[in-house]
Amino acid sequence: GESVGLHLPTLSVQEGDNSIINCAYSNSASDYFIWYKQESGKGPQFIIDIRSNMDKRQGQRVTVLLNKTVKHLSLQIAATQPGDSAVYFCANAGGTSYGKLTFGQGTILTVHP
Amino acid sequence: GAGVSQSPSNKVTEKGKDVELRCDPISGHTALYWYRQSLGQGLEFLIYFQGNSAPDKSGLPSDRFSAERTGGSVSTLTIQRTQQEDSAVYLCASSLGQGPGELFFGEGSRLTVL
Repeated sequence: GESVGLHLPTLSVQEGDNSIINCAYSNSASDYFIWYKQESGKGPQFIIDIRSNMDKRQGQRVTVLLNKTVKHLSLQIAATQPGDSAVYFCANAGGTSYGKLTFGQGTILTVHP
Repeated sequence: GAGVSQSPSNKVTEKGKDVELRCDPISGHTALYWYRQSLGQGLEFLIYFQGNSAPDKSGLPSDRFSAERTGGSVSTLTIQRTQQEDSAVYLCASSLGQGPGELFFGEGSRLTVL
């Protein structure tokens, strides 16, 4: 069945380091991918998204890479800060219902000062 | 309001009781979604409303779950005869339309069924 999963459930880094969070997806029909950040007790917050006609997209301190050949997605956070500590979810969607996102299980990112 | 508002933020109920969870989306957003998040898990799609179209109910886990959206704005998710496995955080989101784009999530309603 359709699934989106993560390679690493936890990631611990030092402040200032770069972080890479990985995600695998299984639905070849997916054409829209999105990363969310969720802090404790809060709803998910949009970070960055990418369409399948792109393989890289950059935001402020974040970069998303998409490899459709191996169905792999990654989120890179540059100069990680303690405020980046949260759970990060990848999600995908496609077809006519882009709000029907399939979420991965999440990666816990902990940034040590 | 400024963001998606959900109520109650916390609800404790006894097994077998019915519960209603409310979502007030961002003004002007035509699409509204309900997701469920069990402890330590990712989000699970439940139902999706877009304008006046029939809702996509494909994620509802059983017929004990239902949702409505009145006047294209506020939505209520109802769980009848609650079970312990219904315990989770129920998240509502809204967006400008049904195309690709950011979903704005509320802070969720945490449901605990004893």
